[in-house]
Amino acid sequence: GAVVSQHPSWVICKSGTSVKIECRSLDFQATTMFWYRQFPKQSLMLMATSNEGSKATYEQGVEKDKFLINHASLTLSTLTVTSAHPEDSSFYICSANGQGLVSNYGYTFGSGTRLTVV
Amino acid sequence: EDQVTQSPEALRLQEGESSSLNCSYTVSGLRGLFWYRQDPGKGPEFLFTLYSAGEEKEKERLKATLTKKESFLHITAPKPEDSATYLCAVQARGQGGKLIFGQGTELSVKP
Repeated sequence: GAVVSQHPSWVICKSGTSVKIECRSLDFQATTMFWYRQFPKQSLMLMATSNEGSKATYEQGVEKDKFLINHASLTLSTLTVTSAHPEDSSFYICSANGQGLVSNYGYTFGSGTRLTVV
Repeated sequence: EDQVTQSPEALRLQEGESSSLNCSYTVSGLRGLFWYRQDPGKGPEFLFTLYSAGEEKEKERLKATLTKKESFLHITAPKPEDSATYLCAVQARGQGGKLIFGQGTELSVKP
């Protein structure tokens, strides 16, 4: 139980284009999902908290207009990197938790998306 | 300010050589402490959740313990397949599901 699927695993895009990353909870309902960013050899930094049916809450310093988050259902959240630039190249990871699952499964993470902007 | 510090940054062990990883934390009301394993290019894989001082959890060669200021991840007789980065994260009360991660310990186990 508590499986999170993230797609795509990797994507290469041209500077100025937009990229959408999907995060799905496969066997549980996630009212809240989280989006992290990870640079090489560094830890995870929370970008935003995504709540089903409402606006996402962004961490300080994260541009809302660049990183658009949509959480339209209890099993799907998307992160769209708009007008991507090379500095947006990074490893993006989502996580989610189901009610009553944290003790046994923690906050379950997706497999991550490697974004390269050229 | 809530903070998590892991040590050492990197650890090299011989197969069978037991050791411990440290996670020191400062948080305004601990709701939970989490240990994850992360392989290169992958998302973190859940290992343990600890909630209160004195709590211990075990899984195969791994054992996690918790005090009021720190947590240890003990690795007994490690194998090469235990090589990975181990991440510690804390969840503070009143912060929803937000996790604050340490920098991680990169473990390498040589045969």
